[in-house]
Parts: sequence; structure tokens; C-alpha cells
Amino acid sequence: AQTVTQSQPEMSVQEAETVTLSCTYDTSESDYYLFWYKQPPSRQMILVIRQEAYKQQNATENRFSVNFQKAAKSFSLKISDSQLGDAAMYFCAYSTSGTYKYIFGTGTRLKVLA
Amino acid sequence: GAGVSQSPSNKVTEKGKDVELRCDPISGHTALYWYRQRLGQGLEFLIYFQGNSAPDKSGLPSDRFSAERTGESVSTLTIQRTQQEDSAVYLCASSRGGGWADTQYFGPGTRLTVL
Repeated sequence: AQTVTQSQPEMSVQEAETVTLSCTYDTSESDYYLFWYKQPPSRQMILVIRQEAYKQQNATENRFSVNFQKAAKSFSLKISDSQLGDAAMYFCAYSTSGTYKYIFGTGTRLKVLA
Repeated sequence: GAGVSQSPSNKVTEKGKDVELRCDPISGHTALYWYRQRLGQGLEFLIYFQGNSAPDKSGLPSDRFSAERTGESVSTLTIQRTQQEDSAVYLCASSRGGGWADTQYFGPGTRLTVL
């Protein structure tokens, strides 16, 4: 079965510090996309970053970067210089070739401490 | 441009009543998706529309759930004879195409509470 595992239900980080959220996935496909979405209390799911599996270079988006380890099926999100506005639920997801369905993890709640 | 919008934002209903949830996708997006998010869980796929093709209803949990979409515009998710286990946030997403490489953009969801 295709699954996404986020083993950290909750994480805390001090403002301006760096935090890493972990995600592992299980798929037998070779072509797929990986995503990190942020869901603040407003419930609006916001795309943070996405990674194409066939690209070895890790994606970056300003303070957000990923560590993509294809062989280990690991896709962690690093947030640098954490800000209060980063506090939210973070969901890891992937989509595979031949399907449009996203498979989501159960999320990690990130708290940012002032 | 405008994002995906959903209404109502919150809905409280009594067990056994029918409810309708609405989604307005991003203009020009041909694909539309409905997901359910139960408390403390990830998103669960419900249904997918792509243009004028037959929808993929494989994620609908029971025949009490149905959805419609008119062309490439508004979609309505209907839950008949609501049960307490239907309480959840219902999220809608749209994408430019329906391919696996197309990013899905989400609305703010409708929080449904069944008493």
C-alpha cells in the first residue's frame, strides 16, 4: 500500500532557529512528486515546496528547503530562521505517475516560541 | 487572481439531515478534487472531476455521499442523512490539468459538525 508517514505529531522551535520535519513514504513507482503543504488555523492549505523524484537536487524556496533521499524514501523539510507565522500543521504528500490522487501523511504541528 | 473558495465556512447540522457543500475552483482549472480531513488525520481523497470526463468516485465512503460539477466550474458535495462520523473538514482543491504532475491548490474547507 502507498503510505506517507510523519512520525512527529508535534514539534517546537524557538523563533529564528532552524527546525526539521521528517517524512517517509512508501511507493514502488519510480516517477513521483513530493509536496509539503502548510495548514495554518485558517485551514487554507498552502503549498510550501515540491520536489520531482527524478531531480537529485534538493528543492529550496526561500527559508524552506528539503532533504530528499530517494533510496531511503525520505523527504524532510527544513525551516530556517523560523518565524511566528510559520506556526501551522505541515503535511507531507506525494503523487505518482498514472494517478492524480495525492497521498497525505497525518501531519506535524509546528509551534514557534517567541 | 482568486483562489479556491468554499462555502459555508462552517456548518452545524443534526443527525439525519442532508447538507450541501460548495466549491468554486480557480478559473481555468479543469480538475477538481474533494478531500475529507478528520480530526488529527491527514486528507482522505473522496472524488475527482476532470473536464467532461466521468468523475472518479472511488473515494466516496458510502452512497450517502454524492457530488456534481457543472462543466469546469462550481462543484457541490452532498451528504444525505448525515451521521456523527461525517463530522470533519471537507476540503476542495483544483489544478490546471488533472495530471499527476499538476499542483493542487486548496480552498479553506468547510467544517461540518453533525450533532
